[in-house]
Amino acid sequence: DGGITQSPKYLFRKEGQNVTLSCEQNLNHDAMYWYRQDPGQGLRLIYYSQIVNDFQKGDIAEGYSVSREKKESFPLTVTSAQKNPTAFYLCASSLQNSNTEAFFGQGTRLTVV
Amino acid sequence: GQSLEQPSEVTAVEGAIVQINCTYQTSGFYGLSWYQQHDGGAPTFLSYNALDGLEETGRFSSFLSRSDSYGYLLLQELQMKDSASYFCAVLLSYGQNFVFGPGTRLSVLP
Repeated sequence: DGGITQSPKYLFRKEGQNVTLSCEQNLNHDAMYWYRQDPGQGLRLIYYSQIVNDFQKGDIAEGYSVSREKKESFPLTVTSAQKNPTAFYLCASSLQNSNTEAFFGQGTRLTVV
Repeated sequence: GQSLEQPSEVTAVEGAIVQINCTYQTSGFYGLSWYQQHDGGAPTFLSYNALDGLEETGRFSSFLSRSDSYGYLLLQELQMKDSASYFCAVLLSYGQNFVFGPGTRLSVLP
């Protein structure tokens, strides 16, 4: 089955540690996105990538980093510079030439302990 | 900057019709999408409007007025399973990213 997979589903991090969230898709989509969602809030864009080896900052990129070495993969690293990282992180992908619809993974809930 | 507004909460009873509005002010506009998200789950795509008018997909319809920077999602014959959050999202331009609204929490009562 085609889809987009995020792992892990739950992640705990100590303050001062970097942590990497995985996002893999087998939909052959060119574009991939990372969003952050806080309780009762909408989705805020962290980073997005329209093509391999290229990515753009979103509205809240500070304290995060990404890479896009393969079309299928778009990992997100939450660094120690992110002051309030506890949130629900959603990865999405879409077709470059018909990107009217985004497909989302099931999300990773990150908690700082 | 980008700004989308939606009502924070809507409540309706089973079998009723409910309309969720979305107004937007964005630096670009290519189309308006709607997504449904159940608690703890992933958003799922419901509809997309690029042109003015009404798009119908089963019990759900979506409307867009580009001149008014306004759209709405219409849910008919409400069911308990429709209880969820609904987000409008603007596609800023072709090949670019989506900006999401704050979401509307719909509660369907028996």
